[in-house]
Amino acid sequence: EAGVTQSPTHLIKTRGQQATLRCSPISGHTSVYWYQQALGLGLQFLLWYDEGEERNRGNFPPRFSGRQFPNYSSELNVNALELEDSALYLCASSGDRGRATNEKLFFGSGTQLSVL
Amino acid sequence: AQSVAQPEDQVNVAEGNPLTVKCTYSVSGNPYLFWYVQYPNRGLQFLLKYITGDNLVKGSYGFEAEFNKSQTSFHLKKPSALVSDSALYFCAVRDGGVSWGKLQFGAGTQVVVTP
Repeated sequence: EAGVTQSPTHLIKTRGQQATLRCSPISGHTSVYWYQQALGLGLQFLLWYDEGEERNRGNFPPRFSGRQFPNYSSELNVNALELEDSALYLCASSGDRGRATNEKLFFGSGTQLSVL
Repeated sequence: AQSVAQPEDQVNVAEGNPLTVKCTYSVSGNPYLFWYVQYPNRGLQFLLKYITGDNLVKGSYGFEAEFNKSQTSFHLKKPSALVSDSALYFCAVRDGGVSWGKLQFGAGTQVVVTP
């Protein structure tokens, strides 16, 4: 069974550009989560999608956005990139059916975004 | 608002000695508690979870965690550490009393096991 896959593995952008990160969840999983792991800051919750809807959002500016497609894959878009957006972006999926459940998350290996 | 704290940035332990990684939490409802581990250049891997029931939870790779409601803690333990346990460990909490409650992670604790 394939795990959570993220692309690209590495992404290099310059300030002001836009970045698009992609995530494919485990087959059968409907929930997709995005986290930012910046150096020294641990994991910061970004977004949570389930059944195509945004269910929860972390304390990030509106230039961080995303969407979930009918096949449950997801995109994270970061507009007007800033230097401090450089981080590892992790995607996770679960079989959560939209409730605050005890489902564990399955993580991808992440996309390393570097903003120059 | 929910929160989770890992008071130690790093824990150093000799191989064969007991390992403890500390975690405390704050939620408004019942806590759903998790431990994850991250090896270098990898995503996070699930270790164990507490939802309800026995306060001592057993997980992968010989790890266990003890839920203490009065102290709002969920410390991760391993009786005998291995060099291969060296990794970054994250505690996480979800507030069971909040619909669409997000999974909140702590800042992480780097575990270094020396031979």
